Parts: sequence; structure tokens; C-alpha cells
Amino acid sequence: DIQMTQSPSSLSASVGDRVTITCRASQGIRSDLGWYQQKPGKAPKRLIYAASSLQSGVPSRFSGSGSGTEFTLTINSLQPEDFATYYCLQHNNYPRTFGQGTKVDIK
Amino acid sequence: EIQLVDSGGGLVQPGGSQRLSCAASGFTFSNHWMSWVRQAPGKGLEWVASIKEDGSEKYYLDSVKDRFTVSRDNAKNSLYLQMTSLRVEDTAVYHCATGNTIGNWGQGTLVIVSS
Repeated sequence: DIQMTQSPSSLSASVGDRVTITCRASQGIRSDLGWYQQKPGKAPKRLIYAASSLQSGVPSRFSGSGSGTEFTLTINSLQPEDFATYYCLQHNNYPRTFGQGTKVDIK
Repeated sequence: EIQLVDSGGGLVQPGGSQRLSCAASGFTFSNHWMSWVRQAPGKGLEWVASIKEDGSEKYYLDSVKDRFTVSRDNAKNSLYLQMTSLRVEDTAVYHCATGNTIGNWGQGTLVIVSS
């Protein structure tokens, strides 16, 4: 199985900050990765697909990069509605595997 | 607008069975892989199963293989997850999702396995 190691597990940030979250895959997964945002009590929402493509309707302050084994989600100018938990997902192989999640809260 | 409505959750005893359903609308259901993803209370996301457009290919998480069966009825735009031999550790919110890349999500249905 492909292990997805996500870091950090949590971070505190202020409105306007730039935030970076990383996922490392235990083997190469090309660009077969998505990033998701989940707010308490809600279903996750995909932000990024194919590692760097922005899902329709998602603000441009979200961006994704990387390929192979190392991937990054960046949030430029963090907004109040961005405080949430973020997950990566690899879909290169079965079983699909998620990172452990990164909780972004208010400093 | 893509809509996925999950249903069928509830309280079930260990060793029991439950069937989850997902009603899809707003897209051509028969043209898309579909998946189930679960989230135990306070925990992260875990992929459970995926099924091809025509049902000819299915993939499962090892821990549910031989206990869970994913199926679909393209005429009814519906996805199902038949769960048997349920364990306490299967307690989770179960979401259906579009694709085998997990695009859109249903709101989820809670399954509690407890005596």
C-alpha cells in the first residue's frame, strides 16, 4: 500500500498568512493526488485535483504543486473561512490512501 | 448541480448487517466510477471501495474485503454498500463519492456498530 505522510498535523495561523501543507508518498504516484478541505460536521470538498489543477469554484488563493513523491498545498492570504482540516489523497493505486490530515486553526 | 444523497445508516449490533444507499443526480451516473469513503468519529478519512461504471470492476479496502459489497443500479442512478459481519471498528460516517479519484461527496450517513 502507498503511505501518504502529511505534515504538519496541525498549525496555528492568522488571517492573511501564507500556509503550506506537505504530503509525501511512500512511492512515486506521478500527479495522481488531490487535496480536500473539511469543516466540522461537513463532507470534505475537493480543492485541487491532478496535484495542481484548481477545482472549479475554488478561490485562486489555493494552489497545489508537486509530482512523484512530494506535494504541497499552499493557501495564500488565509481567510477566516479557510480554518478547517485539510487532507491529501493518492489515486495512483489501490487501496486509495489519505494523509492523516492537517488542522488549521486561528492563532 | 451534482447531488449525492446518502442514506441507510443506523445502530447495528456487532456481527449484524446494514445496507447503505446513495442517490445520485445532476450528472450521467452510468458514465462514472463511484466510491465509498468513511470517517470514524474524530478520525481521518478512509477509502472503502470503488466500482467501475458498468460494475465489472470493484476494489476494496483489505479490512472490509469479504464483508462489504459495493454495487450499483445505473437505471436508478443509485450506489449501494452492503455491509455484513459488522465490527465495532466499522463505526463511521460513510460517504459516497464520484469517481475513483473522489471528486464530489455525499453528506454521509452514520453507522454505529455497538451492542
